[in-house]
Amino acid sequence: AQKVTQAQTEISVVEKEDVTLDCVYETRDTTYYLFWYKQPPSGELVFLIRRNSFDEQNEISGRYSWNFQKSTSSFNFTITASQVVDSAVYFCAHQETSGSRLTFGEGTQLTVNP
Amino acid sequence: DARVTQTPRHKVTEMGQEVTMRCQPILGHNTVFWYRQTMMQGLELLAYFRNRAPLDDSGMPKDRFSAEMPDATLATLKIQPSEPRDSAVYFCASGFSTGTGYTFGSGTRLTVV
Repeated sequence: AQKVTQAQTEISVVEKEDVTLDCVYETRDTTYYLFWYKQPPSGELVFLIRRNSFDEQNEISGRYSWNFQKSTSSFNFTITASQVVDSAVYFCAHQETSGSRLTFGEGTQLTVNP
Repeated sequence: DARVTQTPRHKVTEMGQEVTMRCQPILGHNTVFWYRQTMMQGLELLAYFRNRAPLDDSGMPKDRFSAEMPDATLATLKIQPSEPRDSAVYFCASGFSTGTGYTFGSGTRLTVV
């Protein structure tokens, strides 16, 4: 069975610091997908990224970047120059095949202080 | 932007009462999920549908929970009878089976007293 572990329960940083959220997964699948979602204090889940296991290129989107390393089964998320609005719970998730269920990690509560 | 709409946003009910939560998926999406979020269990899958047919409801307590899609624009999750341990936020999500991410609704916060 798939398992996603986000070992960092809570992280607190000061604005403008860079912060990395860790995600480690376990799977027997040879192909799979990995996701990150953001849950701000308002409660909704906001999709950030979906990555195919075949594609190990790092991805950058503005201040967000993702480092996928299949060799270590990790899919880490870095926020550069963090802002107060980045304060949220961030979830990493695994998906066996396109269109199947998502298995979520426990989430990391990020607090960015002014 | 297209949205997944869930109603009600909040529900407080007494133990033993029936609760029905509704979800309007994004038009055209053929996959619909129900997730439950609690502090103890995190986000856990209750059920999901593909083209309105149930694919997996193994996460649901069968004796009290039921999920249906009467048509492509409506998914329902029903609890009868409700219990205090059902208190949680229930999320609906929809997407295409062929890829990209799923869009989540704002959730229904259920409190059973």
